[in-house]
Amino acid sequence: SQQGEEDPQALSIQEGENATMNCSYKTSINNLQWYRQNSGRGLVHLILIRSNEREKHSGRLRVTLDTSKKSSSLLITASRAADTASYFCATEDNYGQNFVFGPGTRLSVLP
Amino acid sequence: NAGVTQTPKFRVLKTGQSMTLLCAQDMNHEYMYWYRQDPGMGLRLIHYSVGEGTTAKGEVPDGYNVSRLKKQNFLLGLESAAPSQTSVYFCASSYFTAQTYEQYFGPGTRLTVT
Repeated sequence: SQQGEEDPQALSIQEGENATMNCSYKTSINNLQWYRQNSGRGLVHLILIRSNEREKHSGRLRVTLDTSKKSSSLLITASRAADTASYFCATEDNYGQNFVFGPGTRLSVLP
Repeated sequence: NAGVTQTPKFRVLKTGQSMTLLCAQDMNHEYMYWYRQDPGMGLRLIHYSVGEGTTAKGEVPDGYNVSRLKKQNFLLGLESAAPSQTSVYFCASSYFTAQTYEQYFGPGTRLTVT
């Protein structure tokens, strides 16, 4: 019941550059969430955007949601080496009961 | 607050052995979840609980059982381990339904079945 799919699978950038990763999903949702996972650690919640919101900011993070295209993007501005991690989007499954994570985007920020 | 803790952190089992993974949260959350994460894949939901004494199946429940006897604890059991259950297991909790509230994750348990 895969819902969210992140793109690209892997991204490598230089410190100071912006990183953009995308998430596409298949069915209607109430909200979409982004999580970060550092290597060998659990996931950490970054931001939640509701279906009636188009854009949300949190520090250096900017998330957009386009419900007509069933897609979301996560922008990290002025990236730092500490941003190196995997980033996952999560949405409800097709039945609106369970929470489904995509396979993630592996971001590498080079110093 | 310790948040979400998992015990043990690592475990190696032989095929056919059994074990129980313990998850504990001190945030008074109603909802708790067990996921598995395999290389190159996102998290897949095994079982979840919407409150003390209740459990439900997720996407990949076969081969696992769970119990939520106390609100703060969620146990995941493997009755007869198989190599296909080699994975990293994450527990999570949320105040209410994950559709509305963020999930808090434990550090994970790395399980190898030989």
